[in-house]
Amino acid sequence: SQQGEEDPQALSIQEGENATMNCSYKTSINNLQWYRQNSGRGLVHLILIRSNEREKHSGRLRVTLDTSKKSSSLLITASRAADTASYFCTPGGSGAGSYQLTFGKGTKLSVIP
Amino acid sequence: DVKVTQSSRYLVKRTGEKVFLECVQDMDHENMFWYRQDPGLGLRLIYFSYDVKMKEKGDIPEGYSVSREKKERFSLILESASTNQTSMYLCASRLAAYNEQFFGPGTRLTVL
Repeated sequence: SQQGEEDPQALSIQEGENATMNCSYKTSINNLQWYRQNSGRGLVHLILIRSNEREKHSGRLRVTLDTSKKSSSLLITASRAADTASYFCTPGGSGAGSYQLTFGKGTKLSVIP
Repeated sequence: DVKVTQSSRYLVKRTGEKVFLECVQDMDHENMFWYRQDPGLGLRLIYFSYDVKMKEKGDIPEGYSVSREKKERFSLILESASTNQTSMYLCASRLAAYNEQFFGPGTRLTVL
């Protein structure tokens, strides 16, 4: 399995601003997933983007995937205090590598009211 | 909604004890996972199971074993707990490969 590397490690913004975090990975993937973890709701799946997709939206979330650069980005628009959490990306392999998802250290987002 | 439950939210054990952490999912998922999460180290995969009675080692299996006798239940066993196994343990399940994972609330284990 491979691990995604999130960047930046920490991000602090004002409520209402947009937050962008990036993810890089090393080998080819079948899909890439983003998760969020906060103290209230634990670790929650946000969005899955497949390798043949370039962009995906879910509410205030927008995820892009560039397989040529082996990178993805997560944009949260009009952020809220409730978005304060750690965000993880997990590259999903194919074949035998599809079973494991490895989580990195994440991006810690703080949204200041 | 998928529900993944873990037997305890908090657990305190002594060095050398045998510890069982239980995880149950209610959605007939094929795959189940055990992770531990430590500050500065992120989530690390201990073991996973892609089917009943099947198990595979993750990145840090040393000191742990697992059991999956029924599809809905995946147990993590610490044969002889040590202080360096003090951690947050997270269980997850997934319908099958290429799908999202659903996580339980976690068990914070302290080994004294």
